[in-house]
Amino acid sequence: DAKTTQPPSMDCAEGRAANLPCNHSTISGNEYVYWYRQIHSQGPQYIIHGLKNNETNEMASLIITEDRKSSTLILPHATLRDTAVYYCIVRVGGATNKLIFGTGTLLAVQP
Amino acid sequence: NAGVTQTPKFRILKIGQSMTLQCTQDMNHNYMYWYRQDPGMGLKLIYYSVGAGITDKGEVPNGYNVSRSTTEDFPLRLELAAPSQTSVYFCASSYPGTENSPLHFGNGTRLTVT
Repeated sequence: DAKTTQPPSMDCAEGRAANLPCNHSTISGNEYVYWYRQIHSQGPQYIIHGLKNNETNEMASLIITEDRKSSTLILPHATLRDTAVYYCIVRVGGATNKLIFGTGTLLAVQP
Repeated sequence: NAGVTQTPKFRILKIGQSMTLQCTQDMNHNYMYWYRQDPGMGLKLIYYSVGAGITDKGEVPNGYNVSRSTTEDFPLRLELAAPSQTSVYFCASSYPGTENSPLHFGNGTRLTVT
């Protein structure tokens, strides 16, 4: 699975959009981009995933660049409860589904 | 739905003791996983299973054993606890074999070995 690079930490004002970048320049054509978050040492929570197209669900939007070498997770209206470590992971679909985690981005939402 | 349930939530072991971390899921997921997370680090995969009777090593399997006799349960065994195994352990499960199959995690077992 391709490696990812994320900034170690970011701040965001409550109510504003949080944009979390992820670099995955060695991604292969059949690898998906997944985002999870971990709130205060709880178990990681799935947010969203995508292959080529931009994706949106009730939690967030995922923007993948045309060359697929980077992506951005967007939380449209960040709240204090969105303070967490956000993990960007790339993996091949199917097979064992196992995930290889990096160290993620600590997003601190400020009041 | 309970999802993925891990017991115990906390445990303190002495060096050389053994214990089993329990994990059960009620979503009929074929795939199950054990991860550990050291302070300030991401999760590391210990073992995983793609179905009853089938297990395989992850990134950091040394010092651990697993078994998968049923679809629901995936216990993790520490035979001779060492201080290096002080960590938070997470169990997860997922549906098999499709790209749209996120992992569902339990809330972890915090283990201290002294």
